[in-house]
Amino acid sequence: AQSVTQLGSHVSVSEGALVLLRCNYSSSVPPYLFWYVQYPNQGLQLLLKYTSAATLVKGINGFEAEFKKSETSFHLTKPSAHMSDAAEYFCAAKPFSGGYNKLIFGAGTRLAVHP
Amino acid sequence: KAGVTQTPRYLIKTRGQQVTLSCSPISGHRSVSWYQQTPGQGLQFLFEYFSETQRNKGNFPGRFSGRQFSNSRSEMNVSTLELGDSALYLCASSSSGQREETQYFGPGTRLLVL
Repeated sequence: AQSVTQLGSHVSVSEGALVLLRCNYSSSVPPYLFWYVQYPNQGLQLLLKYTSAATLVKGINGFEAEFKKSETSFHLTKPSAHMSDAAEYFCAAKPFSGGYNKLIFGAGTRLAVHP
Repeated sequence: KAGVTQTPRYLIKTRGQQVTLSCSPISGHRSVSWYQQTPGQGLQFLFEYFSETQRNKGNFPGRFSGRQFSNSRSEMNVSTLELGDSALYLCASSSSGQREETQYFGPGTRLLVL
């Protein structure tokens, strides 16, 4: 069964530092992949998605992610962290077949940004 | 366009009661999915409705049910509430339910079971 693993439940960076949040998926056929962000007491907002077009995907708020089939990874990066980036980030996958619109989420990574 | 709306935003119930949550998708969207978010289990898929039909179901007991109306609005019902049902319930909508489509999430309904 498809699963999504996010390495590191908590990541802390300094303002202006590189943000790297890790995501790996488990399936022989690459799924569709998504990164969502959740701010306190809010729903999920899409940052970016991979749907088998370009392997480097650019999203909102300066985030981007690179799909690497050989590593079954879809890590999220941002060159320079802002205080407003502090939130919880979820990587999610939709299997290529079966399950229709079902999103399978990783456990989430809480990003803290300190001055 | 207005986003996905969920009502109520907060709810307190006692064990054994039942509850109904409502979700209004983005105008024109026909697919509505429900997710449960808890600190212990994370985000888990409950079910998806498309054109008033349940198209997919997660691994939840039969106490969790849902439906979709002809205007695509959806309701989720939980009967015989248990303490473990305390969670944030999120609804998401997408246009035609294709896999590559983005699902847009509402703000959620926070349910507390006492």
